[in-house]
Amino acid sequence: EAGVAQSPRYKIIEKRQSVAFWCNPISGHATLYWYQQILGQGPKLLIQFQNNGVVDDSQLPKDRFSAERLKGVDSTLKIQPAKLEDSAVYLCASSLAVRTSTDTQYFGPGTRLTVL
Amino acid sequence: AQSVTQPDIHITVSEGASLELRCNYSYGATPYLFWYVQSPGQGLQLLLKYFSGDTLVQGIKGFEAEFKRSQSSFNLRKPSVHWSDAAEYFCAVGATGFQKLVFGTGTRLLVSP
Repeated sequence: EAGVAQSPRYKIIEKRQSVAFWCNPISGHATLYWYQQILGQGPKLLIQFQNNGVVDDSQLPKDRFSAERLKGVDSTLKIQPAKLEDSAVYLCASSLAVRTSTDTQYFGPGTRLTVL
Repeated sequence: AQSVTQPDIHITVSEGASLELRCNYSYGATPYLFWYVQSPGQGLQLLLKYFSGDTLVQGIKGFEAEFKRSQSSFNLRKPSVHWSDAAEYFCAVGATGFQKLVFGTGTRLLVSP
């Protein structure tokens, strides 16, 4: 079974530029998550999709971050404009079930973003 | 809201020695608890999880964890550490409903020869 795919793996941009990350979840997984992991910290949930609808985006900085999940499969996360404090690893995860707290989340390898 | 504390930022263990990583959680109801491992440049991999039932949970790679409600703890253990266990370990607590996970800050495990 293929895992969660993310691209690019690394990205370096200057502040005020825009950037986009792509995620392809495990086939058949209904729920998709984007996490931000700042160096020395644990992952923090940015947004959670259930199929193609948003169920939690309470920690997404909506003035600069946006995300979408087209047709309930792939997802993109965009930052525009980027700030220095956005330097982090962006992790995508997916899980099979729609409404269970006991389901396992499977993580992709992440995209490491450096903002100069 | 739930929260997780991992009091040890770094731990160094000799290869072959036993390991215990500490995790304390805060959550008003019965928690769902997870341990994940992250190797350099890789995503997180689930080691084990606790939802209910037996408070001693067995996971992959020889790891186990014990849920202690009275201490609000979910410590991770391994009887004999291998050099390949060197990684960062994250404890997480899940809330009911839409499965939101809150992670601790992680403990970096170093294994000495």
